Amino acid sequence: KAGVTQTPRYLIKTRGQQVTLSCSPISGHRSVSWYQQTPGQGLQFLFEYFSETQRNKGNFPGRFSGRQFSNSRSEMNVSTLELGDSALYLCASSPQPRSEQFFGPGTRLTVL
Amino acid sequence: AQTVTQSQPEMSVQEAETVTLSCTYDTSESDYYLFWYKQPPSRQMILVIRQEAYKQQNATENRFSVNFQKAAKSFSLKISDSQLGDAAMYFCAYRSFLQGGSEKLVFGKGTKLTVNP
Repeated sequence: KAGVTQTPRYLIKTRGQQVTLSCSPISGHRSVSWYQQTPGQGLQFLFEYFSETQRNKGNFPGRFSGRQFSNSRSEMNVSTLELGDSALYLCASSPQPRSEQFFGPGTRLTVL
Repeated sequence: AQTVTQSQPEMSVQEAETVTLSCTYDTSESDYYLFWYKQPPSRQMILVIRQEAYKQQNATENRFSVNFQKAAKSFSLKISDSQLGDAAMYFCAYRSFLQGGSEKLVFGKGTKLTVNP
């Protein structure tokens, strides 16, 4: 069974642009969570989706948004990029809430 | 809000020796999960071991075991017979057990483990 896939793996953007990151969960997994990883702040929770519904949102500005589709694939969008948005964005999926989460390889976003 | 603290930014161990990574957490909840995740240089986060707070028995997975002290809110990871492939960042994480609760993981800052040949 294929693991969690994230596209693209690397991305370079400039300040003010917007970006969309994609996450395809393991087949059959309906829960998807997103995390931002930076050297300074560590791993911080962004969003959580289950069956196309956002169940929880972390403490991030409204520039960060996400959604989940009927096939459980998820996207996150960051508008008006800032230098501080440079990070590794990790996606994790699980079959259902409160089961083990499996992480993808991440998308490395660099904002210049 | 829950917090997770890993007080050792870096640790090193000789191959075949044993090392213990520390983790403390703060919560007002009585039921929760605790995890140790490993993130090798390739960046893929991997679950090493998990512990349900209601279980008194410490979890064990092959060479990995935990020392869960609920009253002290301590959750350390012991790696026995360390191997070169164990070199990675190790993250301690907390997740609520509340009914209908979130999948949200609260992570510590991590401990970088170096294994010396």
